[in-house]
Formats: sequence, C-alpha cells, structure tokens
Amino acid sequence: NAGVTQTPKFQVLKTGQSMTLQCAQDMNHNSMYWYRQDPGMGLRLIYYSASEGTTDKGEVPNGYNVSRLNKREFSLRLESAAPSQTSVYFCASSEGETRDSRTRLFFGEGSRLTVL
Amino acid sequence: AQKITQTQPGMFVQEKEAVTLDCTYDTSDQSYGLFWYKQPSSGEMIFLIYQGSYDEQNATEGRYSLNFQKARKSANLVISASQLGDSAMYFCAMRERGSARQLTFGSGTQLTVLP
Repeated sequence: NAGVTQTPKFQVLKTGQSMTLQCAQDMNHNSMYWYRQDPGMGLRLIYYSASEGTTDKGEVPNGYNVSRLNKREFSLRLESAAPSQTSVYFCASSEGETRDSRTRLFFGEGSRLTVL
Repeated sequence: AQKITQTQPGMFVQEKEAVTLDCTYDTSDQSYGLFWYKQPSSGEMIFLIYQGSYDEQNATEGRYSLNFQKARKSANLVISASQLGDSAMYFCAMRERGSARQLTFGSGTQLTVLP
C-alpha cells in the first residue's frame, strides 16, 4: 500500500552541487506534481505533469528541471543547488481529469533538503 | 493577491472542545473546489475534506465539517470534540476549474490541542 514514494527523505548539499529527487506512485494516476514547502508560505507548485510525456511550470520553477520518466515516475532535478532551495519537497499525484475541481492530491512523505 | 488566506498562524483549543480554522479565498471562477489537509509533525499531508462550489450542503467527514459561505468566499474548517492527535498544521487549498494544474495552498494554521 505504498501510494506515493519519494527518495531520498533527507539530503544535505553544498552550493553548486546537483541532485535528483525521485518520486514514484503506484495508483495509476495520470497527473503528478512537485511542491516545495517553506515556513509561513504553505506549499508552492514547482512543476506539474498532466500525463506521461508532458510537463509544465508551476509558480516557482526557476532552478529546477523535471522528467516524467513514465506514468509512475516523476523526478525533480536541481542542477546547481542554492541555499534558497533549502526546503521540504513534496511529490503528489492525482487521478482522473485534472480540470475536475474535486480531484484531490495524494502526497508523498516529503524530502527535506538543506543546501549549505 | 493571495488566493487562499489563512489568518491564524497558530490556534490553541482545549481537548474535547470544538475549534474553527479560518480560510478565505479569492477566485473569479464559478466552479472551484476547496480542500483541507492536515500535516502532523511527522510531515505527511493527509486529506481531510472537500467542498465543491456548487455543493448545496456543507461537507462533513466524521468530526470535520466545512462551514462554506460562498458569498463571503470563506471555507472554514470546524473540528468537533478535539483530540490530542488533532495537533498539527492545517492547510486550506483551492482548485479553480480553469486551472489544469494545481491546488493553491494557504500558509497554514498550527493547531495545538491542550490536555
């Protein structure tokens, strides 16, 4: 009963290093999302993928790239990490037509990233 | 402009009492959805309740209910008979029909239930 799985759960990077956050869902959902959570700011969308092979920018895409590898997997890459990217990152997925207002998101457990 | 506003950064409630967490939203769409999520200290995001803009009845899920006032653009979460396990961060979120992309989240309310 895994749902949405993110790895790693914790990571410390130095400024300028690169890394990839992995996300996989086993619910056969079409849409997947990456959010970041910062204190006092709630969750903000970084990138979104409506379906396999498509990706789109969210509210805060700068400094990130994504890949929708297949229907199950959606990765987030930081090419050159900056201290401003210190955050908790959440992957999420949703079923059905994303334009349906009642479609809810299922979240992974989060990945805590610290950039020194 | 903020699309989702949660004006209470922190709230305290006595165990077994009811508490209301405020949420106001801003949209020009007629069709939209409102969600509440709970985030305990362990960090996961737990879906609590959903309200559609065309739903005539306020949504309820167990001890959770949503006080939906469309004209005021408010969607307050009411938790009845608070339990210690209700201590958590609570987020209000909205999906607009015109947005194919995302839930937009408020900044959250940290609820602490006192024994």
